[in-house]
Amino acid sequence: SQKIEQNSEALNIQEGKTATLTCNYTNYSPAYLQWYRQDPGRGPVFLLLIRENEKEKRKERLKVTFDTTLKQSLFHITASQPADSATYLCALITGTASKLTFGTGTRLQVTL
Amino acid sequence: KAGVTQTPRYLIKTRGQQVTLSCSPISGHRSVSWYQQTPGQGLQFLFEYFSETQRNKGNFPGRFSGRQFSNSRSEMNVSTLELGDSALYLCASSVGFSSYNEQFFGPGTRLTVL
Repeated sequence: SQKIEQNSEALNIQEGKTATLTCNYTNYSPAYLQWYRQDPGRGPVFLLLIRENEKEKRKERLKVTFDTTLKQSLFHITASQPADSATYLCALITGTASKLTFGTGTRLQVTL
Repeated sequence: KAGVTQTPRYLIKTRGQQVTLSCSPISGHRSVSWYQQTPGQGLQFLFEYFSETQRNKGNFPGRFSGRQFSNSRSEMNVSTLELGDSALYLCASSVGFSSYNEQFFGPGTRLTVL
């Protein structure tokens, strides 16, 4: 069956460090992959979209990599801040089925 | 530019009743998608509408239905409510198909079924 796995345990890091979140998938061949941030009680907020032919994409302190061989995407936040504390969701889009499938998310906690 | 709005924000219903949720997308957005979010299952896709046509549907029973109007506003209906339908229902809009475009989510409607 098709699965998207994100670390279900919370990731706790110290302010200023780089946070790395993982999104692994099986039995998909996604043409696109998106990352979203969700704060408690609010809807997700779009962060980045990366295409299968792109290895890496950056936006300010955020960086996403997409390895279609490993079937994995890594999401990095450099110089993390307490305001980065939230749940981060990855979502896959396949080339044929156009619906967006979300992972369960990883909760990031950045402490002082 | 106003964001995606959803009404109502909170709703309490009893088993067997039906409910209609409303979503107003960002002006100019033609795609509206609906999602159900629960602690156990995460964010699950319900359906997407584009220019009044259902473009895609998730794995939910026929009790869940939706529609989109000519002004892109969308409604979602759940009939014969079950306890397991208690969830946060989110709608998201995008300029084009949700698959290839940034989606803007609304604040959600929190549905509680007693």
